[in-house]
Amino acid sequence: AQRVTQPEKLLSVFKGAPVELKCNYSYSGSPELFWYVQYSRQRLQLLLRHISRESIKGFTADLNKGETSFHLKKPFAQEEDSAMYYCALSGYGATNKLIFGTGTLLAVQP
Amino acid sequence: EAEVAQSPRYKITEKSQAVAFWCDPISGHATLYWYRQILGQGPELLVQFQDESVVDDSQLPKDRFSAERLKGVDSTLKIQPAELGDSAMYLCASTNTDARGKKTQYFGPGTRLLVL
Repeated sequence: AQRVTQPEKLLSVFKGAPVELKCNYSYSGSPELFWYVQYSRQRLQLLLRHISRESIKGFTADLNKGETSFHLKKPFAQEEDSAMYYCALSGYGATNKLIFGTGTLLAVQP
Repeated sequence: EAEVAQSPRYKITEKSQAVAFWCDPISGHATLYWYRQILGQGPELLVQFQDESVVDDSQLPKDRFSAERLKGVDSTLKIQPAELGDSAMYLCASTNTDARGKKTQYFGPGTRLLVL
């Protein structure tokens, strides 16, 4: 079965602390993995994708195929990082629908 | 910057009534998606269009839900009759493919439906 699991509903950290948002997936094949973010009163938007291997707003995510994980990390959290973060996967092909996790609310305290 | 548009933003209706949501994707995006997001969960795909054709509607409750994209541009999602369990956020997204072949889904602001 295709599934994305985000075990934490809420992650609260202090400004300047490291952040790790966990994501595990189940998929038969090699999916494409994404992190989407939704800031307060804004629409859902792409943060980063695993194939790009890029850092966006200081966030990185490494795909670990052995552990089927795609954790999102940032070394020093900022207050403006407070948002809802969704991990998602997509297969390759015509129906490249996104399968989302339940999301983690990141709250960065001053 | 072009964005996906949706209307209405909020809809309150009574159960057994009919409701309709509208989505206008980013110009030139051939693929359009409707997702439903129940409170506390991630979005789940209801239906996917490629131009005017349905590609995936396996999760669409076809006894009460219908979707169309007649001219391959904007789309309408309808629920008739609405049930209490249909209360959710309905998100529309559209996709482009960049020069390197990467597809990115762009989401609209959503329509929040409350069924009383």
